Amino acid sequence: SQTIHQWPATLVQPVGSPLSLECTVEGTSNPNLYWYRQAAGRGLQLLFYSVGIGQISSEVPQNLSASRPQDRQFILSSKKLLLSDSGFYLCACHRAGANVLTFGAGSRLTVL
Amino acid sequence: RKEVEQDPGPFNVPEGATVAFNCTYSNSASQSFFWYRQDCRKEPKLLMSVYSSGNEDGRFTAQLNRASQYISLLIRDSKLSDSATYLCVVTPGNMLTFGGGTRLMVKP
Repeated sequence: SQTIHQWPATLVQPVGSPLSLECTVEGTSNPNLYWYRQAAGRGLQLLFYSVGIGQISSEVPQNLSASRPQDRQFILSSKKLLLSDSGFYLCACHRAGANVLTFGAGSRLTVL
Repeated sequence: RKEVEQDPGPFNVPEGATVAFNCTYSNSASQSFFWYRQDCRKEPKLLMSVYSSGNEDGRFTAQLNRASQYISLLIRDSKLSDSATYLCVVTPGNMLTFGGGTRLMVKP
């Protein structure tokens, strides 16, 4: 079965600092990968998705970017964080053979 | 109009009660439907898929009404451990669209 690893689990960053969140997947190959953000008390907002190495689609224009350097690695980055970037960032993967998402444990970001 | 809408709640119910949530969707071409459960400060986890004929998993029953474009989740004999946020998920095409979630609080 698929396992999704995300790190760091929690981080506090100052405004204007860079960001790198990592996600790796085990137990599957050539997965569709997703980055979601959930603001406090809100629903999930799809940020990026990737169907393969180097293939990134952005759903929402913002100061974040994503990269997929390897088949099972998905990275979310920012050069300069904004206060509004605070939230719970979730990496997700399509379960093989089914239209179901499996989520990692998430990275909770607070921008001060 | 949002693609997927849910009453945010919270629904406060006593243990043993029956509670139902609805979720409406706007895209009539949606093909797949799911309920996810999210505990506080945790990731969402699949609770159950929703099939056209309706389906049951223990105390949980999910139903789909294509004509009115909504899905429902019924929880019977509520437990304290059912307290969570329940997310409705709809798939118009290849992308999953999440509702904002309905918060359930089961009280002793």
